[in-house]
Amino acid sequence: QVQLVQSGAEVKKPGASVKVSCKASGDTFTNYGFTWVRQAPGQGLEWMGWISVYSGNTKYTQRVQGRVALTIDRPTTTVHLELRSLRSDDTAIYYCARDRGGYNFWSTWGQGTLVTVSS
Amino acid sequence: DIQMTQSPSTLSASVGDRVTITCRASQSINNWLAWYQQKPGKAPKLLIYKASTLETGVPSRFSGSGSGTEFTLTISSLQPDDFATYYCQQYDEFLYTFGQGTKLEIK
Repeated sequence: QVQLVQSGAEVKKPGASVKVSCKASGDTFTNYGFTWVRQAPGQGLEWMGWISVYSGNTKYTQRVQGRVALTIDRPTTTVHLELRSLRSDDTAIYYCARDRGGYNFWSTWGQGTLVTVSS
Repeated sequence: DIQMTQSPSTLSASVGDRVTITCRASQSINNWLAWYQQKPGKAPKLLIYKASTLETGVPSRFSGSGSGTEFTLTISSLQPDDFATYYCQQYDEFLYTFGQGTKLEIK
């Protein structure tokens, strides 16, 4: 049974950067893609980006394009989300999720990481 | 970008009721639609994919239908555990998008 375990909550000042990790265990790492979804307080779900473990290809939403980077650490089966130039409206819970054999719906999710951006 | 519009935004119902949530796409997404349930403080839970395929372990009172641009999620007989927020999501093309959510409340 695959599990995704995310790093802990972060508090950052505006303009800073944050790196959130998502460690996968229990299944073959290489065959999948990983997505990041965020949820601002009291708001809905927003898809942020995707990375293929096999190819390293990435796609991002334009809302964060230029400020976001998804990376893979294959030896530790960990996917990282880095978000730069943080703003107050980046305050959200960030979730990682694994795709289903190339199809981008998600049955396996991390527990979420709260990132708070506040001066 | 494909816009996903859910209705209603809030739905009040009682245990045992049959409820339907609608999701409309701004362009055809074929059947590449998923439905999720989310409870406060928890990650979303996949209920249905490919518009009508029930995820393993999800109770059969949940069903999905539709194609093209209009889709529905139906709960045939509400149980206490079903009161939550529901989201549709298209995966026809990047950028993947969610509906704004439907909060299902106890009447």
